[in-house]
Amino acid sequence: GAGVSQSPSNKVTEKGKDVELRCDPISGHTALYWYRQSLGQGLEFLIYFQGNSAPDKSGLPSDRFSAERTGGSVSTLTIQRTQQEDSAVYLCASSLPGQGYRESYNEQFFGPGTRLTVL
Amino acid sequence: GQQVMQIPQYQHVQEGEDFTTYCNSSTTLSNIQWYKQRPGGHPVFLIQLVKSGEVKKQKRLTFQFGEAKKNSSLHITATQTTDVGTYFCAGSVIQGAQKLVFGQGTRLTINP
Repeated sequence: GAGVSQSPSNKVTEKGKDVELRCDPISGHTALYWYRQSLGQGLEFLIYFQGNSAPDKSGLPSDRFSAERTGGSVSTLTIQRTQQEDSAVYLCASSLPGQGYRESYNEQFFGPGTRLTVL
Repeated sequence: GQQVMQIPQYQHVQEGEDFTTYCNSSTTLSNIQWYKQRPGGHPVFLIQLVKSGEVKKQKRLTFQFGEAKKNSSLHITATQTTDVGTYFCAGSVIQGAQKLVFGQGTRLTINP
C-alpha cells in the first residue's frame, strides 16, 4: 500500500519568504507528526496531531512555524519569514492509534522528507 | 522535560566487528522503539520493547530494555556493510502514548 508522502521533495527559497510543506499520511492513521532534521543531526520534534484532539505544539521553535491538519488527513507545515537556520529536512510521520502493549502498534511510518534550503 | 540521550554519537568499525549503541532516559519509559536511517533515507522502524528487562533478537541484532525501563541498548554482532546508517532510539513516557522522544542517534560506518 501507499506510504507517507511529502511534497515538495526539495524546496529552495529566499530568506524572508514563506513556505508550505505538505504531508499525506497513510490512510487510517490518526496520528501525524512533524520533525526537523538538520544535517547529520537527530530528529527534532515539532508538532503532533492525534485525531480531533488539540495538537501538541510544544516543539515548534518559534511563532513563525505553524501547522494544520485538515479533515484528519493531510497536513501542512508553514514557515513564515524563513531564516537560514530553518534549512533542514522536514520529516512527517504517521501512526495508528496507540494500544499500549501491542507489538508495533505505535510504530511511526516516515515519509521521505522535504529538504528545505533557505538562501 | 523528558530527555533521551544516546551514545556514542559516531562509531566506525571494521566489517565483522560487533557494534553497540546505548540509550538512556531521564525518566521511566513506557516503551522504547528503535529506528534505522540509511544514508539519504528516512527512519525505518526496527522494533519496540515494552517490558522491564525485555530482550529481543532480530538475526544479528539484539535489543535490550533495562530493568528500570530507563535505558536500552542495540547490539549488532558481526557487522556487515548493509548495517551502515544511523540508529535512533525513541521513548514514550505514557503507556499507549503516541508521542516519542528521539535520541540523537548513533551513526555507524563500516570499513569493508
